[in-house]
Amino acid sequence: RKEVEQDPGPFNVPEGATVAFNCTYSNSASQSFFWYRQDCRKEPKLLMSVYSSGNEDGRFTAQLNRASQYISLLIRDSKLSDSATYLCVVNRDVGDMRFGAGTRLTVKP
Amino acid sequence: NAGVTQTPKFQVLKTGQSMTLQCAQDMNHNSMYWYRQDPGMGLRLIYYSASEGTTDKGEVPNGYNVSRLNKREFSLRLESAAPSQTSVYFCASSEGRVGTGELFFGEGSRLTVL
Repeated sequence: RKEVEQDPGPFNVPEGATVAFNCTYSNSASQSFFWYRQDCRKEPKLLMSVYSSGNEDGRFTAQLNRASQYISLLIRDSKLSDSATYLCVVNRDVGDMRFGAGTRLTVKP
Repeated sequence: NAGVTQTPKFQVLKTGQSMTLQCAQDMNHNSMYWYRQDPGMGLRLIYYSASEGTTDKGEVPNGYNVSRLNKREFSLRLESAAPSQTSVYFCASSEGRVGTGELFFGEGSRLTVL
C-alpha cells in the first residue's frame, strides 16, 4: 500500500463547477501536508500548505483531519486554467517528502 | 533566477550503461531530493539529502547511488542502467525545515533505457 493515496481520477468538470479531491496517508507521524499542482510535462509546483484548522487561498480550500489521516482540496468556480494534476504531499521528517500519485483534473468550457 | 538546474534534459542509454544526472541549486537550500515519475505512479522518492554531508534512501533506492558534493550539488548515478529505470527524473531542493514544504523542482530529465 502506498504511503499517500489519492483519488485516481480523472475528473472532468465544466467551467464554474466545484470539485473536491481527497487524500489519505498511512504514517501517523507525518508532520506537515501540502497540495502541489503539476501541468502536463512540467515540474510540480506548490499550490498551498494544509493546516489543521483548514485554510483558504482564493477559490481553493484545504482541510486536514489528523485523526482520520485525511486531507482534502476543494476548488470552487473552476477555471479552464485549473486543468492540471493535483498532488498530495506529506512531510514525515526533515527532508523526507512523499507524494501521492496525483489526480488529474480537466475543466471544460 | 536559475533555481534548480538539472542536466541532461534528455538521455538515451543502452542496458548496462552508466550515467550521472547532475543537479545544482542556487537558493542556499539545505535539503535536496531525487524523484522519479512514472505514469500512474506519481513521484517516488529515490534518495534525499536532508543537509550537506548526509544522504538517505527513499522509497525506491535500488539501482541508484547519490552524492551530495557540496551544499549546492546533488548527483544521481545509475551504475548499470535497466529498462525499468526508464522514467522522468526530477531533482528538487527545499529549506529543509519540517513544515516549510515548498520544494523547488528542476525541469526534469527524461531517461530512456533500451
